[in-house]
Amino acid sequence: AQSVTQPDIHITVSEGASLELRCNYSYGATPYLFWYVQSPGQGLQLLLKYFSGDTLVQGIKGFEAEFKRSQSSFNLRKPSVHWSDAAEYFCAVAPNQAGTALIFGKGTTLSVSS
Amino acid sequence: GAGVSQSPSNKVTEKGKDVELRCDPISGHTALYWYRQSLGQGLEFLIYFQGNSAPDKSGLPSDRFSAERTGGSVSTLTIQRTQQEDSAVYLCASSLNSHRGEGYTFGSGTRLTVV
Repeated sequence: AQSVTQPDIHITVSEGASLELRCNYSYGATPYLFWYVQSPGQGLQLLLKYFSGDTLVQGIKGFEAEFKRSQSSFNLRKPSVHWSDAAEYFCAVAPNQAGTALIFGKGTTLSVSS
Repeated sequence: GAGVSQSPSNKVTEKGKDVELRCDPISGHTALYWYRQSLGQGLEFLIYFQGNSAPDKSGLPSDRFSAERTGGSVSTLTIQRTQQEDSAVYLCASSLNSHRGEGYTFGSGTRLTVV
């Protein structure tokens, strides 16, 4: 069965420092992968997605993610974190059957220190 | 509307009572999803509607949970005889279609507290 693992429950990064959030997936074929962000009291917002082509994908708010098939990973990165980036981040995979719902990881909470 | 709208935003109910949570998806979106978010548990899939097809109810945790979608638009999630473990944020999302690469647009959720 497909699954998504986010190994880090909580990460704290200094403002201006770089960020990498880890995501590993379990999947037998070409995965469709997503990153979402959830600010406090809000729904989830799509940051970026990957399903083919260039393995480095750019998203909104200055985020990018790199798909590495050999490592079954889709890590989210940002070169310089802003205090407004403090939120919860979710990685998700679309199952191989069309018309089935996204499977989400348990999320990583990002805190930004000044 | 411009986004996915959920109501109420907060609901406090007594154990044993029934509750109804409403989701109004983006106009024209054929797919609608319900998820439950509990602290530290991520998003748990509940149910999925696609057009006029039979819904995928595989995520509903018990027969106390049900959902319907009227006219291919508004959806209502009903929880009967609520229990304290039902306390969570219930998120609704919609997408233009059910293509695997289609991202979802989420509502802000309904925070349900069962006392």
